[in-house]
Amino acid sequence: DAKTTQPTSMDCAEGRAANLPCNHSTISGNEYVYWYRQIHSQGPQYIIHGLKNNETNEMASLIITEDRKSSTLILPHATLRDTAVYYCFVRVGNRDDKIIFGKGTRLHILP
Amino acid sequence: GAVVSQHPSWVICKSGTSVKIECRSLDFQATTMFWYRQFPKQSLMLMATSNEGSKATYEQGVEKDKFLINHASLTLSTLTVTSAHPEDSSFYICSAPPGTSYTGELFFGEGSRLTVL
Repeated sequence: DAKTTQPTSMDCAEGRAANLPCNHSTISGNEYVYWYRQIHSQGPQYIIHGLKNNETNEMASLIITEDRKSSTLILPHATLRDTAVYYCFVRVGNRDDKIIFGKGTRLHILP
Repeated sequence: GAVVSQHPSWVICKSGTSVKIECRSLDFQATTMFWYRQFPKQSLMLMATSNEGSKATYEQGVEKDKFLINHASLTLSTLTVTSAHPEDSSFYICSAPPGTSYTGELFFGEGSRLTVL
């Protein structure tokens, strides 16, 4: 079973920041938080991952709470192309460690 | 970056026939590949872990005789849906961690949509 819970869906206005929450209250000390997204009928796309420090890359920022029980993915300036299902999951991070997907959050970017 | 490619992108077959889906790592070697299945409006469900040179490990509830997995080389894993039926119609996706340049990211193929008539 997935170790994360996310809201089923969210709306965000185009050009605004999209903040997607994820709860992972049973995360282990050696587990990373990962975010992927899946645009309709495509394979999942990597966004970002982190252990305990906040992370930022060209796509998004990841804010992890100090107790690591939850995190927020931030898309700073959402565009229509960011409409997708966003998956948050935790994994140890070893190369061969499998991913168990939860239900994800369906993000709708509104024009 | 590393690329995982699947073929075919979509396939339509008659009930009772077998269909093979290929998953290739194009610029890296993958000793492990993961196979997922996704029904409409649902999340990805892990079916099995494919290991180069050895038998695949199947998740609970997945029939190993129906979903044959072969990982004969470090760049190719195949999933064969045997005696396909309409309920096997789904989106099949593979994933592979990169080899020597692993930074935590896993790469996914574009997916293969199977429709069984």
